[in-house]
Amino acid sequence: EVQLVESGGGLVQPGGSLRLSCAASAFTFSNYAMSWVRQAPGKGLEWVSGISDSGSGTYYADSVKGRFSISRDNSKNTLSLQMNNLRAEDTAVYYCAKDYGSGGYFYHLDYWGQGTLVTVSS
Amino acid sequence: DVQMTQSPSTVSASVGDRVTITCRASQNINSWLAWYQQKPGKAPKLLIYKASTLESGVPSRFSGSGSGTGFTLTISSLQPDDFATYYCQQYSSYSKTFGQGTKVEIK
Repeated sequence: EVQLVESGGGLVQPGGSLRLSCAASAFTFSNYAMSWVRQAPGKGLEWVSGISDSGSGTYYADSVKGRFSISRDNSKNTLSLQMNNLRAEDTAVYYCAKDYGSGGYFYHLDYWGQGTLVTVSS
Repeated sequence: DVQMTQSPSTVSASVGDRVTITCRASQNINSWLAWYQQKPGKAPKLLIYKASTLESGVPSRFSGSGSGTGFTLTISSLQPDDFATYYCQQYSSYSKTFGQGTKVEIK
């Protein structure tokens, strides 16, 4: 069964940095694109960033462009999200999600982790 | 960027009711649309992709239709397990966008 396990969330001050990780198992990680999706408390889902299967293509929501960086290590089946210059409005549960797409293509998100909470507050 | 607008924001319904949720895209997305179900404190779950294809294991009372800019999710006979929030999502571009969600609550 596909498993995605996020880690790295926590409390950080405004302007600070945090790195999230997602450990993937039970599928060929290097064959699929991946995404990060977040959900602020009591709010809807917001796609944050996506990365192609090879890692050569990375994409960001306007709200995080220039502050967040997505990466992957296909040898370790791990997805990461480096978050810099964090703001109060970045407070959310961050989900790692597997994309159905491969070969440089992106489609729907067919598996999701349980999420990790990031709180930005002084 | 493509904007997604869902309606209504809340639906009050009873077990056995037919429920329809609408999602509209700000531009043509062909059939590149998915629907997800989310329950409180849980991760979203994929229900439908490519506008009308039912994900494996999802009950057949769920169905999706539409193309271009207008889409619907229909639950033919609402069951107790279906009370949740539903989101549409477009994936016609690299930047995926979600609708704001529709909460299906008990009437």
